[in-house]
Amino acid sequence: GESVGLHLPTLSVQEGDNSIINCAYSNSASDYFIWYKQESGKGPQFIIDIRSNMDKRQGQRVTVLLNKTVKHLSLQIAATQPGDSAVYFCAVPNQAGTALIFGKGTTLSVSS
Amino acid sequence: GEEVAQTPKHLVRGEGQKAKLYCAPIKGHSYVFWYQQVLKNEFKFLISFQNENVFDETGMPKERFSAKCLPNSPCSLEIQATKLEDSAVYFCASSQLGPTSIGYTFGSGTRLTVV
Repeated sequence: GESVGLHLPTLSVQEGDNSIINCAYSNSASDYFIWYKQESGKGPQFIIDIRSNMDKRQGQRVTVLLNKTVKHLSLQIAATQPGDSAVYFCAVPNQAGTALIFGKGTTLSVSS
Repeated sequence: GEEVAQTPKHLVRGEGQKAKLYCAPIKGHSYVFWYQQVLKNEFKFLISFQNENVFDETGMPKERFSAKCLPNSPCSLEIQATKLEDSAVYFCASSQLGPTSIGYTFGSGTRLTVV
């Protein structure tokens, strides 16, 4: 079945640095990718999404890059702030299109 | 309301006891999803509903887990004869646009501790 994985379980950065969080997926037919942020004690919160017909999408301080050739997705956070400290997940639809499958999260720690 | 309401926030059960978790989706959202988060960085999909109909239950451990979404009632996830390994945070999410849309809104979860 499909799988979604992340390269690094933890990432520590200094305030003001740029952060890059990576995700690999297995299903080449995936057409939709989403990044979620989960703060302590809360449910995941939508950050940004990208369709498979795009390579890049930008939001406010966040950019998602999609490389379909190597089935890799990344989330870039510019000028990382302490409030960005959270666990970040990528998610893709399952093959049946009935639910989102979450990758293993990356815990981002931002020190000031 | 505009939030997914999950109750209770915390639930402690002795091994072998029943646990029942509730989820009130956002009004107007016809899709409901349950996820289990055992470790901080892993989510497991359990079951999804479209209105009161099961949409996908492939993630459910069927021998002890059951779920319902009945009209005019909160959705529920019930675990019969809980085991230590059921200890986790259970999240409910609802969506208006469909199971793979961006419109998932998650609740804050119910932390189940089995002792």
